Amino acid sequence: QVQLVQSGAEVKKPGASVKVSCKASGYSFTTHYMYWVRQAPGQGLEWMGRIDPFNGRTNYAQKFQGRVTITSDTSITTAYMELSRLTSDDTAVYFCARGFSYASDFWGQGTLVIVSS
Amino acid sequence: QSALTQPPSASGSPGQSVTISCTGSSSDVGGYDYVSWYQQHPGKAPKLMIYEVTKRPSGVPDRFSGSKSGSTASLTVSGLQAEDEADYYCSSYADTNNWMFGGGTKVTVL
Repeated sequence: QVQLVQSGAEVKKPGASVKVSCKASGYSFTTHYMYWVRQAPGQGLEWMGRIDPFNGRTNYAQKFQGRVTITSDTSITTAYMELSRLTSDDTAVYFCARGFSYASDFWGQGTLVIVSS
Repeated sequence: QSALTQPPSASGSPGQSVTISCTGSSSDVGGYDYVSWYQQHPGKAPKLMIYEVTKRPSGVPDRFSGSKSGSTASLTVSGLQAEDEADYYCSSYADTNNWMFGGGTKVTVL
């Protein structure tokens, strides 16, 4: 069965960076995009970007351009999302999600990132 | 990029129907048949309910249906059940490899 297992919660100081991992299993890792979506406390979903693990090509939401880096390691079927120059506005739950026909059919459990001095 | 527009709340009694709208523009909802809908219960990850405007993934009850007219997409939940109470988000592919989400609609089963 398809599973996406994310790394654990993080607490970071303003100005720092965070890197969240997403371990995929149960399907061919290189045949589906991996999306990253975040959700601030009590707020809606926000698309951050995606990667094609087959060739490493990425697309980022304009809002995060220059601050987010999405990578993947096909040898361990894991995708990563790194966000730099963190502020309190980046406090959120970060989800990875498998791409499926311009949607996302399987989601990770979410990783809480808290940015606080 | 502005989020797609959804009503903040909707409600219905058990057995009734509720319809949620999702309004975008010609650059997203109106320009592509790649609208999807997600259900999210508190503290849980979103669940895909509808993709490509009208298609249901395996395992999603046929009480859930999607449609689109122009730049407005809609999700209808027929025969409301208690477990349908959740937040619902629309999403659409947008120009130049972007995705948009709506602000979310909280559905209450009265």
